[in-house]
Amino acid sequence: GNSVTQMEGPVTLSEEAFLTINCTYTATGYPSLFWYVQYPGEGLQLLLKATKADDKGSNKGFEATYRKETTSFHLEKGSVQVSDSAVYFCALSASGGSYIPTFGRGTSLIVHP
Amino acid sequence: DTAVSQTPKYLVTQMGNDKSIKCEQNLGHDTMYWYKQDSKKFLKIMFSYNNKELIINETVPNRFSPKSPDKAHLNLHINSLELGDSAVYFCASSQTGLTNTGELFFGEGSRLTVL
Repeated sequence: GNSVTQMEGPVTLSEEAFLTINCTYTATGYPSLFWYVQYPGEGLQLLLKATKADDKGSNKGFEATYRKETTSFHLEKGSVQVSDSAVYFCALSASGGSYIPTFGRGTSLIVHP
Repeated sequence: DTAVSQTPKYLVTQMGNDKSIKCEQNLGHDTMYWYKQDSKKFLKIMFSYNNKELIINETVPNRFSPKSPDKAHLNLHINSLELGDSAVYFCASSQTGLTNTGELFFGEGSRLTVL
């Protein structure tokens, strides 16, 4: 079956530090990969996505590259802000037709001024 | 206009009571979901409906009963509430088929507290 493994948190950083949150996956076929972000007290919202190998998703300074050879989709940001403090979820979906989304356990990010 | 809306946002109730959470989406999607998020932020899928038909029914106590009157609505009814049901429940929707992008759209969540 499909699965997503994320690094455990919390990840605690100072403002302007470099961020990496690791995500690896197991899936049959060629899934699409996603990062969702959940700000305190809110629902999840899509941060970025990539639908095929070597695609790079990017949004709000965050980036992640779909690496088929290492089955990874690590999230990076060059300089985090206090407002980036949130929980980040890596996820995958089966391509096309029938769709069952699979989420990682989430990684909490805390950014200090 | 809110894309996926859930009501109520907060629900505090006693053990043994029955309660419902409602969800509506105005995105024209054909698939809706209920997720449970525990205190450690772990998201567990509970149910999924595609065009009003149940397609995912994970290992959930039968005290939980989803109902989809039409493809824009998916309600969750919980009987005989227990302390362990305390969590945040999220509704989500997506579009499957040839136009499937795989993206889920989430509501803001309904925080259920059972005393």
